[in-house]
Amino acid sequence: EPEVTQTPSHQVTQMGQEVILRCVPISNHLYFYWYRQILGQKVEFLVSFYNNEISEKSEIFDDQFSVERPDGSNFTLKIRSTKLEDSAMYFCASSEVGLYSNQPQHFGDGTRLSIL
Amino acid sequence: DAKTTQPPSMDCAEGRAANLPCNHSTISGNEYVYWYRQIHSQGPQYIIHGLKNNETNEMASLIITEDRKSSTLILPHATLRDTAVYYCIVKIGSYIPTFGRGTSLIVHP
Repeated sequence: EPEVTQTPSHQVTQMGQEVILRCVPISNHLYFYWYRQILGQKVEFLVSFYNNEISEKSEIFDDQFSVERPDGSNFTLKIRSTKLEDSAMYFCASSEVGLYSNQPQHFGDGTRLSIL
Repeated sequence: DAKTTQPPSMDCAEGRAANLPCNHSTISGNEYVYWYRQIHSQGPQYIIHGLKNNETNEMASLIITEDRKSSTLILPHATLRDTAVYYCIVKIGSYIPTFGRGTSLIVHP
């Protein structure tokens, strides 16, 4: 069964450094998402992306965050200047159709980001 | 999204059916009921969804009451690998799913 893959599985970064998290969505999916989960807390939506544009974002997704689809397969989340509170699991998800449908999202297994 | 209420934890014996309830009394007519689960240290995994009819797939069955104010996810023969947090989410297609605390299901031998 096709799946969403994320790399790396664990990223350790010094505070203030830039970090890029990578995702390969399911190949025929057109809508892409990032979520995060701080240890012991709920899964929180960050951003959705379609047709090379952000379609929706949460309050968490401030100017420090950006997303990009640099080629036909990768979808990336960049954090420009990391803070200690950015430490979390970051999940990528994709769906065949998007926000205006009832199709579910399929998630990767996440990248654990640790900020020192 | 309509608010959902789930018990914080449940347990089930291996091989038995696990019945996970969810209340969504404020559900509106065009909101779907989705179930996801999250096994420790993994991403949320889609299980099943439905609008008003009962649904079944290879993973589980979803029973939605006639008034749609509650639903039950049924894992017919639970295994140890079904130990996870199960999330019931109610949403219209145009909204991002909101994950609550879910139900922590422990399947024991």
